[in-house]
Amino acid sequence: GAGVSQTPSNKVTEKGKYVELRCDPISGHTALYWYRQSLGQGPEFLIYFQGTGAADDSGLPNDRFFAVRPEGSVSTLKIQRTERGDSAVYLCASSWTSGQQETQYFGPGTRLLVL
Amino acid sequence: AQSVTQLGSHVSVSEGALVLLRCNYSSSVPPYLFWYVQYPNQGLQLLLKYTSAATLVKGINGFEAEFKKSETSFHLTKPSAHMSDAAEYFCAVVGFGSSASKIIFGSGTRLSIRP
Repeated sequence: GAGVSQTPSNKVTEKGKYVELRCDPISGHTALYWYRQSLGQGPEFLIYFQGTGAADDSGLPNDRFFAVRPEGSVSTLKIQRTERGDSAVYLCASSWTSGQQETQYFGPGTRLLVL
Repeated sequence: AQSVTQLGSHVSVSEGALVLLRCNYSSSVPPYLFWYVQYPNQGLQLLLKYTSAATLVKGINGFEAEFKKSETSFHLTKPSAHMSDAAEYFCAVVGFGSSASKIIFGSGTRLSIRP
């Protein structure tokens, strides 16, 4: 079956520009997560949705980062006024529902490079 | 706060040799622990997870991990390394309470296999 998909796979932008990263979760999964993986590091949690609402956005680094999931399926991570330090791989994951025992299935990521 | 520490950012073994990747955790409550594998330019794939049912957990591709509370460890092993095992491995713990859906990753261990 289809896994988590993310588009684009690569994004190059200039400092100060706005970018949107898209995530298509596994069909039927109600929980969706965003993580950021900097070079040589493990992924770091950004935000997760249960349905349409952001249940935990404690990992968003500042107010330039925002994510939405208006219909409870596809999610978009939005970054305003990008900075070079935002360069990283942005990973999306989904699970059947939220909770400690739920397995999160990861997409291949979007590699963002801010010049 | 919960955390995991992976000992050794790079491990190199010969094909056919034992693989041992070390992970220690810190948690104030019984933890749920995971090992994920990341192949080049691919997303994270779950190898195995510990959810308190059994201390020895068997995963995919011949990997297993043993939960040792007395040592606060969750080391990953495989009796005989194969060339296809070359990848980045991440130990992880899931949060609890209001963070019960947040995965906290270690910094990763890159496994290389020598012919």
